Amino acid sequence: GQQVMQIPQYQHVQEGEDFTTYCNSSTTLSNIQWYKQRPGGHPVFLIQLVKSGEVKKQKRLTFQFGEAKKNSSLHITATQTTDVGTYFCAGKVAYNTDKLIFGTGTRLQVFP
Amino acid sequence: EPEVTQTPSHQVTQMGQEVILRCVPISNHLYFYWYRQILGQKVEFLVSFYNNEISEKSEIFDDQFSVERPDGSNFTLKIRSTKLEDSAMYFCASSLPDGLVAEQYFGPGTRLTVT
Repeated sequence: GQQVMQIPQYQHVQEGEDFTTYCNSSTTLSNIQWYKQRPGGHPVFLIQLVKSGEVKKQKRLTFQFGEAKKNSSLHITATQTTDVGTYFCAGKVAYNTDKLIFGTGTRLQVFP
Repeated sequence: EPEVTQTPSHQVTQMGQEVILRCVPISNHLYFYWYRQILGQKVEFLVSFYNNEISEKSEIFDDQFSVERPDGSNFTLKIRSTKLEDSAMYFCASSLPDGLVAEQYFGPGTRLTVT
């Protein structure tokens, strides 16, 4: 069935270092969303990408959607301790589906 | 800022018992969802609900599960006869009318522990 994998599973960085998580789907996605989940918290929407090759930026965060719409990445520049949490990509396989398929997540730990 | 609320925050129940998890979605949202997250794992889609009926469900959402919108504000998930493997965090979410390309707002979750 449909699978969305993320690598790495865990990442520990020193504050100020960059961080990237990669998301790969077994099938083409109509769109992809990114969520952040703080430890003990709930997923919080960050952004949505729809177009092939789309790149969006939010301050220190850069999101990309692959040309084939099967992969995506999130890059954080100069991490801060407030970036700690698990980052999930989540995609839909068709425009007329409600089902959001979450990736396996990347847990980010930032050391001061 | 409007938010999704869920009650209770933690529910402990014995295997075989029925549980009802409650959610109050954001008031002008029309699409509602339930997800579950087993500790340390990814978030899994259970069901979506629109216009007073299930619009989509996953293979996890078997006959033991049901959802209801009993009034204009609540959205409930019922597990008829709980199993140990139902222990997880259950998140309710809602989204705006354009549910096809829209962000989902998640509630704080209900931690269900089945003993």
